[in-house]
Amino acid sequence: DIQMTQSPASLSASLGETVTIECRASEDIYNGLAWYQQKPGKSPQLLIYNANSLHTGVPSRFSGSGSGTQYSLKINSLQSEDVASYFCQQYYDYPDTFGAGTKLELK
Amino acid sequence: QVQLKETGPGLVQPTQTLSITCTVSGFSLTSYYMQWVRQTPGKGLEWMGFIRSGGSTEYNSEFKSRLSISRDTSKNQVFLKMNSLKTEDTGVYYCARESLGAWDYWGQGVMVTVSS
Repeated sequence: DIQMTQSPASLSASLGETVTIECRASEDIYNGLAWYQQKPGKSPQLLIYNANSLHTGVPSRFSGSGSGTQYSLKINSLQSEDVASYFCQQYYDYPDTFGAGTKLELK
Repeated sequence: QVQLKETGPGLVQPTQTLSITCTVSGFSLTSYYMQWVRQTPGKGLEWMGFIRSGGSTEYNSEFKSRLSISRDTSKNQVFLKMNSLKTEDTGVYYCARESLGAWDYWGQGVMVTVSS
């Protein structure tokens, strides 16, 4: 199975700041990567698919980039509603595997 | 609009069988793969298995011997059944719709506690 290593595990940032979360795959996943946001007590919601495509309705302050084994999620101009946990998922190769998550808090 | 909702027991005894139903609306089960995943404190998000639009299934080898996924397209429902439950199976169970790899819609999840 492809292992997804996500960092950092937790992150504290101020309103308006830009934050970056990273995921490293154990092998090339050819942009078969998604990012999800999960607020407390809620289910994950798709933000980014195919490494850099924004899902319908997701604010443009979210963006994804990367290739090969290295991928990142960037949140520009952090808003209070962005406080959540974020997960990456590779779907290039079966079985789908997830990163352990990044918990984003306000400073 | 697209909606998914899981229903199932909140509490299951060890060694018993877990049954969860995912009822969907706004799309056809014959057009999408449907995924099952669980979220536990110990292992985070753990893929369990899926049922293809054509009805065939694939399972995580970790669960393969005790997991079954099926569906009733006439009722727009997908079913998860897992037997021989252990306390480590405690967690939140989600169904999700897969669209070209990513999972674009998720249910609200159902919390399952395995305890006597």
